Amino acid sequence: EVQLVESGGGLVQPGGSLRLSCAASGFTFSSHWMHWVRQAPGMGLVWVSRINTDGSTTHYADSVRGRFTISRDNAKNTLYLQMNNLRAEDTAVYYCARQGIGEAGYFDHWGQGTLVTVSS
Amino acid sequence: LPVLTQPPSASAFLGASIKLTCTLSSEHSTYTIEWYQQRPGRSPQYIMKIKSDGSHTKGDGIPDRFMGSSSGADRYLTLSNLQSDDEAEYHCGESHTIDGQVGYVFGTGTKVTVL
Repeated sequence: EVQLVESGGGLVQPGGSLRLSCAASGFTFSSHWMHWVRQAPGMGLVWVSRINTDGSTTHYADSVRGRFTISRDNAKNTLYLQMNNLRAEDTAVYYCARQGIGEAGYFDHWGQGTLVTVSS
Repeated sequence: LPVLTQPPSASAFLGASIKLTCTLSSEHSTYTIEWYQQRPGRSPQYIMKIKSDGSHTKGDGIPDRFMGSSSGADRYLTLSNLQSDDEAEYHCGESHTIDGQVGYVFGTGTKVTVL
């Protein structure tokens, strides 16, 4: 069974940093592109970042480029999101999502999410 | 950037059918989109992918009463024999590459209420 388990969320002050982790199991982690998607309270889904299978290629939404860094450790089956210079508008539940292969869905599996709150 | 438009809410009675619409911006009317279901307090779940020709690929465990179709820039998700468990937010989304930059855009979501 595919499982994605996020951790690392919490309360942080504006300008602070936080590192999210997503532990993957039940599939060959190194074969899949991986993503972070966030959802502010009461709002819709917003794509944040993507990383390819070996970590050599990354993409970011304009709103986080230069502040967030996505990375992965295929030996540990773990995806990361380093978030620096956090702002109040970064407050959201952060989901990691697996990108499907071939005709599979783009985000074919999601984690349960971890809440990040940026507030003084 | 592509824009996906969804009505904010929809409702139907238990056992009835409901057709949800996701409209692509006109210049992106041939794009493939995906539908996701998000029950209250839960993470999203992949439902299906719909191409411009109406062909669709469902996720594992998605029941037959969930059907996809397409017409022009509109992509539809039809839920038949509506169940109380179908009460959820339904999001559509699409991936794109513009000037070498990869991105993904979601619609604003449609909240489905089962009466």
